[in-house]
Amino acid sequence: KAGVTQTPRYLIKTRGQQVTLSCSPISGHRSVSWYQQTPGQGLQFLFEYFSETQRNKGNFPGRFSGRQFSNSRSEMNVSTLELGDSALYLCASSLASAGDEQYFGPGTRLTVT
Amino acid sequence: AQSVAQPEDQVNVAEGNPLTVKCTYSVSGNPYLFWYVQYPNRGLQFLLKYITGDNLVKGSYGFEAEFNKSQTSFHLKKPSALVSDSALYFCAVRDPGAGSYQLTFGKGTKLSVIP
Repeated sequence: KAGVTQTPRYLIKTRGQQVTLSCSPISGHRSVSWYQQTPGQGLQFLFEYFSETQRNKGNFPGRFSGRQFSNSRSEMNVSTLELGDSALYLCASSLASAGDEQYFGPGTRLTVT
Repeated sequence: AQSVAQPEDQVNVAEGNPLTVKCTYSVSGNPYLFWYVQYPNRGLQFLLKYITGDNLVKGSYGFEAEFNKSQTSFHLKKPSALVSDSALYFCAVRDPGAGSYQLTFGKGTKLSVIP
């Protein structure tokens, strides 16, 4: 079974631009979560989607948004990029319930200059 | 609110010795607890979880963890460390009683196994 895939793997953007990251979950997984990983803040939860609905949202500004499609694939968008948005963005998928473990993709490394 | 703490930024252990990576948590109800490992330039890999039942949970690569409700801890252990165990380890908690599907991670503990 194929793992979680994320595209692109690396991205360089300038301040003020916007970016869209994509995540394809493991087949059969209906929940997709997004995290931001930085050396200073560690892993921070962005949001979680299930059946195209956002179930939980972390404490990030409205510039960070996401969506999930009917095939469970997910995208996250960051508008008006800031230098502090430079990070590794990780996507994780799981079956559905709170007790299910999440499986992570390799991440997208975003650098904002 | 749910939270998790990993009190040690780094743990050094000699190869062949037992290792322990510490984790404590805070939730309003009964927790779901997870351990993940991250190798350099890679995503996180699931090691094990505690949902309910036996307090001692066994997982991948010979790792195990013990859930201690009175001490609100979920320490990761392995009887004999390997150099290949060197990586970043994350403890995570979810509070299903609060209706949350959010997984909250600790800051991570860097494990170095010395040959």
